[in-house]
Amino acid sequence: DTEVTQTPKHLVMGMTNKKSLKCEQHMGHRAMYWYKQKAKKPPELMFVYSYEKLSINESVPSRFSPECPNSSLLNLHLHALQPEDSALYLCASSQPGGGQPQHFGDGTRLSIL
Amino acid sequence: RKEVEQDPGPFNVPEGATVAFNCTYSNSASQSFFWYRQDCRKEPKLLMSVYSSGNEDGRFTAQLNRASQYISLLIRDSKLSDSATYLCVVNGRGSTLGRLYFGRGTQLTVWP
Repeated sequence: DTEVTQTPKHLVMGMTNKKSLKCEQHMGHRAMYWYKQKAKKPPELMFVYSYEKLSINESVPSRFSPECPNSSLLNLHLHALQPEDSALYLCASSQPGGGQPQHFGDGTRLSIL
Repeated sequence: RKEVEQDPGPFNVPEGATVAFNCTYSNSASQSFFWYRQDCRKEPKLLMSVYSSGNEDGRFTAQLNRASQYISLLIRDSKLSDSATYLCVVNGRGSTLGRLYFGRGTQLTVWP
């Protein structure tokens, strides 16, 4: 059983919709991450939160808006996405400070119509 | 130059074979190294961390050569269930602390 849970598992949305992806971890980790993964490519880092504060934004377009309400939760708010944003979105968590392995949720498969 | 370079394969081996994957990394200051496996349409899962002295977990052996900036994974007695993509992962340092760098993955298929 994964200790990082993501909802929903699948999401289909139009380009004008607003939706949110949710991630929850119960591992006591204080760093959380959002990644985007396209088919046959490695995960690409989007955002890093450390102690509930945004520490890395990999120049992600503003149509993606992260939020970390508390140490266990991480959201990704989506608005006005483009078809090329269709991908697997992965949440991960770890102990902060670098050098720690990250544990991934099973992802949200997002399709933009 | 990419942070982590991996041979994408694919590697196709029979059950029981021994197979080795290699990767190189560019940042000599990196301190933490991992192998993840990813099944088709699933999330990456940590297979093992890689330590300077080399480490073994059952049929899996990981080696690190800091001088050559080279990491390897050896799988002995391959099983059908080992079929997956294996990702070589290296941590960032300094301004990139907290960031993991992923190789493009090596695809393994074990056939009966």
